[in-house]
Amino acid sequence: EVQLLESGGGLVQPGGSLRLSCAASGFTFSSYALSWVRQAPGKGLEWVSAISGSGGSTYYADSVKGRFTISRDNSKNTLYLQMNSLRAEDTAVYYCAKTTYYYGSGSYVNFDYWGQGTLVTVSS
Amino acid sequence: QSVLTQPPSVSAAPGQKVTISCSGSSSNIGNNYVSWYQQLPGTAPKLLIYENNKRPSGIPDRFSGSKSGTSATLGITGLQTGDEADYYCGTWDSSLSALFGGGTKLTVL
Repeated sequence: EVQLLESGGGLVQPGGSLRLSCAASGFTFSSYALSWVRQAPGKGLEWVSAISGSGGSTYYADSVKGRFTISRDNSKNTLYLQMNSLRAEDTAVYYCAKTTYYYGSGSYVNFDYWGQGTLVTVSS
Repeated sequence: QSVLTQPPSVSAAPGQKVTISCSGSSSNIGNNYVSWYQQLPGTAPKLLIYENNKRPSGIPDRFSGSKSGTSATLGITGLQTGDEADYYCGTWDSSLSALFGGGTKLTVL
């Protein structure tokens, strides 16, 4: 059974930093891409970042580029999101999602399993 | 405002059929596959449809997907009260970003 368990959320002041973690089990971790998707209170889903199975390719939404860094440790089956220069608009539940994707002719991206999320609140 | 446009809400009676649209452009839906997600109240999203019209194991055939040009549609037949949820479409964009629609709230009257 695929399981994804996020941790590291909490209250942080504007301009501060936070690191989220996502512990995975139930699948061959290094064979799959992973993503972070967030959802502001009462709002829709927003894709944040993705990383390939090897960690060699990373992708970011424009809204977080240069502030957030996605990484993974395949020896620990863990995904990370380092968030710096946090803003009020980064307040959201952050979900970790197992991802299958192909970029080329007929691209696709599927978030086939999701964790339960961790809440990040940016406020003074 | 999302690049992919969905109606904010739809409603139908139990047992009826409903469709949810997702409109994009040639840089996203027009040249890529679409997926759909169901988010029940207070829970994480769940993959319903992938690659336009495929269902993951365990998803009933009451749920279907289709795509034409730069738009996609999710169909749900035999509506049940348990289908009340938010539904989101998703796809890749040529800017190497994943996109979600703004979401549609389904009410089963």
